[in-house]
Amino acid sequence: DTGVSQDPRHKITKRGQNVTFRCDPISEHNRLYWYRQTLGQGPEFLTYFQNEAQLEKSRLLSDRFSAERPKGSFSTLEIQRTEQGDSAMYLCASSSGDRLNTEAFFGQGTRLTVV
Amino acid sequence: KQEVTQIPAALSVPEGENLVLNCSFTDSAIYNLQWFRQDPGKGLTSLLLIQSSQREQTSGRLNASLDKSSGRSTLYIAASQPGDSATYLCAVRDYGQNFVFGPGTRLSVLP
Repeated sequence: DTGVSQDPRHKITKRGQNVTFRCDPISEHNRLYWYRQTLGQGPEFLTYFQNEAQLEKSRLLSDRFSAERPKGSFSTLEIQRTEQGDSAMYLCASSSGDRLNTEAFFGQGTRLTVV
Repeated sequence: KQEVTQIPAALSVPEGENLVLNCSFTDSAIYNLQWFRQDPGKGLTSLLLIQSSQREQTSGRLNASLDKSSGRSTLYIAASQPGDSATYLCAVRDYGQNFVFGPGTRLSVLP
């Protein structure tokens, strides 16, 4: 297992287009998180899954954003009608166990540029 | 609402120096605190995880301490090297189950 994998690493899209990112967590990690990071800032929470259930969504996650985790394995994050303000690094993380004190592991991120 | 701050925002030191990075959080009701390293344009690499019941953790030249009651953590880097140059982020997992990050400290170690 090579860790959390995200695809694509980079995405350039025109304003108004839809984009979809994929995250493959570490095998058997039941918790999966999406974060967004803009230049010079720390990552900000977007949404969180425990297995296939989406348990929490940030107010940052407007109705143009949707995330899924079918079968509790990989996850996708879709942004519809992209705006220039969506340009950021999108990070995925996973952690294991039923307890909340386990270590989180992050992927390399997907850098989105909306032109 | 949990807020995390990090001081300093940027730090430049000559190679070989020992240094301390600071992290503060406003709500002491946390499960744990994790320190990460981020290289430019890359994802986050986990450095150390401290549980709320622990006072410190060590890994190689890194030592992290936690004072939950005062809402503070420090990351101590011994004998710094140019390869340590990166942004260092701290994050707390609070009872809202999510990680709340600080803005990071950008470290430059000069040869």
